[in-house]
Amino acid sequence: QLQLQESGPGLVKPSETLALTCSVSGGSISRSDYYWGWIRQPPGKALEWIGIIDYSGTTYYSASLTSRVSISVDVSKNQFSVRLHSVIVADTAIYYCVQWSASQGSFDPWGRGTLVAVSS
Amino acid sequence: DIQMTQSPSSVSASVGDRVTITCRASQIISSFLAWYQQKPGEVPKLLIYVSSRLQSGVPSRFSGSGSGTDFTLTISSLQPEDFATYYCQQANSFPLTFGGGTRVEIK
Repeated sequence: QLQLQESGPGLVKPSETLALTCSVSGGSISRSDYYWGWIRQPPGKALEWIGIIDYSGTTYYSASLTSRVSISVDVSKNQFSVRLHSVIVADTAIYYCVQWSASQGSFDPWGRGTLVAVSS
Repeated sequence: DIQMTQSPSSVSASVGDRVTITCRASQIISSFLAWYQQKPGEVPKLLIYVSSRLQSGVPSRFSGSGSGTDFTLTISSLQPEDFATYYCQQANSFPLTFGGGTRVEIK
């Protein structure tokens, strides 16, 4: 069974870079027709798509975050990562890593999520 | 970007009720729509993909329909474990986008 697990700091200072890694177990990240991505959810608010990447490094990003975000993949470690630069308080959210099926267009499974607070 | 608008934003219903949630896309998205359920403090769970296909393990009281710009999620007989927030998500084109959510509350 495919499982995803986020890791990274739970607190980031404003203007700094948020960096999270997702470790994939129970399956290879080098699967065709699948992408690996990030979704966030500010406390009490709706889900927001951040972006996705496939094993070859092809990426797609949210229009509102594209100037600050980058997603990378490490096939050898079966991991992928997100970096969000110049964070502000409004970037405080639960960050989920997910698998996206290109044929189904849906996200499944999801990691448990990690809360990242932006505060000085 | 394709905007996804859900209605209502919240609904109060009783166990056994039939509940319908709608999701409207700002552009035609064919049938590339998914629905998720999120209970408080939990991870979102995929219910339906490609508008009407039930994810494995999801109870048959959940159903989805629609194509083009208008979609619905129906719970035929609401159960206690169905009280949650539901989100739609379009996958017709990038950037992928979610609706604002519909909270199903106990009446």
